[in-house]
Amino acid sequence: QVQLQESGPGLVKPSGTLSLSCAVSGGSISTTNWWSWVRQSPGKGLEWLGEIYHTGSTSYNPSLKSRVTISVDKSKNQFSLNLSSVTAADTAVYYCARVDYFYYYALDIWGQGTPVTVSS
Amino acid sequence: EMVLTQSPATLSLSPGERATLSCRASQSVSTYMVWYQQKSGQAPRLLIYDASKRATGIPARFSGSGSGTDFTLTISSLEPEDFAVYYCQQRSKWTFGPGTKVDIK
Repeated sequence: QVQLQESGPGLVKPSGTLSLSCAVSGGSISTTNWWSWVRQSPGKGLEWLGEIYHTGSTSYNPSLKSRVTISVDKSKNQFSLNLSSVTAADTAVYYCARVDYFYYYALDIWGQGTPVTVSS
Repeated sequence: EMVLTQSPATLSLSPGERATLSCRASQSVSTYMVWYQQKSGQAPRLLIYDASKRATGIPARFSGSGSGTDFTLTISSLEPEDFAVYYCQQRSKWTFGPGTKVDIK
């Protein structure tokens, strides 16, 4: 069965760029699913950041669109998140998740999450 | 902009009791409502989709109902493992509600 695993630095300096990857195992990233990033902070709850299809098509949360970039690497069966110009408000647990638009129309598989702190 | 409101914020119940959680959308979403369960230190888990359909492997004690702007998640008889936070979510920009925490009374 498909599993997702986030990886990346747990500490990022203010004004820097947060970079995370999500490895997809147990299945191909090149399916009919989309692949998304969601974060969770005490102040803002669960917040969808954006999603990507294996062709490279993307959709982003308008509130973060200018700072978020999601990319896919089919050769590594993974996708990645870049969030630029970070501040303390970007401190959160970051999750990657699979989006099933055909059966559930929901985020049906999630990674375990990785905490990221923005601090100098 | 779609806004989801969940009530109550916290629900204190005992094992075996019935839990009724509410989610209200700021505009009609037909039956396009999803519910997740999140236990402490874990990722959210898909429970209910299309307002009333249980995801694979979800016990029958979980049920969802509603349409338009008002939705309900019901846990018919709380098991110890059901004490968690529950979130509703709709399709527009995958907006989540603020969550309802079900804790042990």
